[in-house]
Amino acid sequence: QKEVEQDPGPLSVPEGAIVSLNCTYSNSAFQYFMWYRQYSRKGPELLMYTYSSGNKEDGRFTAQVDKSSKYISLFIRDSQPSDSATYLCAMSAQGAQKLVFGQGTRLTINP
Amino acid sequence: DGGITQSPKYLFRKEGQNVTLSCEQNLNHDAMYWYRQDPGQGLRLIYYSQIVNDFQKGDIAEGYSVSREKKESFPLTVTSAQKNPTAFYLCASSLQGNSDLYEQYFGPGTRLTVT
Repeated sequence: QKEVEQDPGPLSVPEGAIVSLNCTYSNSAFQYFMWYRQYSRKGPELLMYTYSSGNKEDGRFTAQVDKSSKYISLFIRDSQPSDSATYLCAMSAQGAQKLVFGQGTRLTINP
Repeated sequence: DGGITQSPKYLFRKEGQNVTLSCEQNLNHDAMYWYRQDPGQGLRLIYYSQIVNDFQKGDIAEGYSVSREKKESFPLTVTSAQKNPTAFYLCASSLQGNSDLYEQYFGPGTRLTVT
């Protein structure tokens, strides 16, 4: 079993829809949770990060962490074609020297 | 402009040849990382370095080697011992190895094809 599981998709939704992307994990020591966005043939860019449980909002993006369920989510409101990309979740434990990544979910927003 | 550069963008090699991928950063970051990305497998850590002249193996170091002689440079050599070298290779850096691990900045990647 992988430490971090992420549905690879692909996920295709119409413009303006609310998108929900999710990851589950097995290591209860994880405390830092990140979402990266990766456009085709480009390097990932950090979108959001959250420490421990709770919600964090940045514009149209909301990150949620539920440590009791070992489940994290990224919500995209009013999705745009420019949001079409692969979204990677990543996480780490306190003092860890590396990130553990999910497989990535490929998202397409159709105009 | 500050950032991470990787060269070349595309690289083709014959089986049995060693090949070195370049990674340079001008962000004054202490820590640097090499990842491999294959379809459906996310990013897997090959090697990382938290300080000059020191580096550690990641999860899939076999068949790879690195050096860290300068703070801004962290080249990766894919040796002939690597069984499946064809992949997308990503270099990343962060200010310090532990305290802000989440803020890793990635380069544009090098796509290596070995035939």
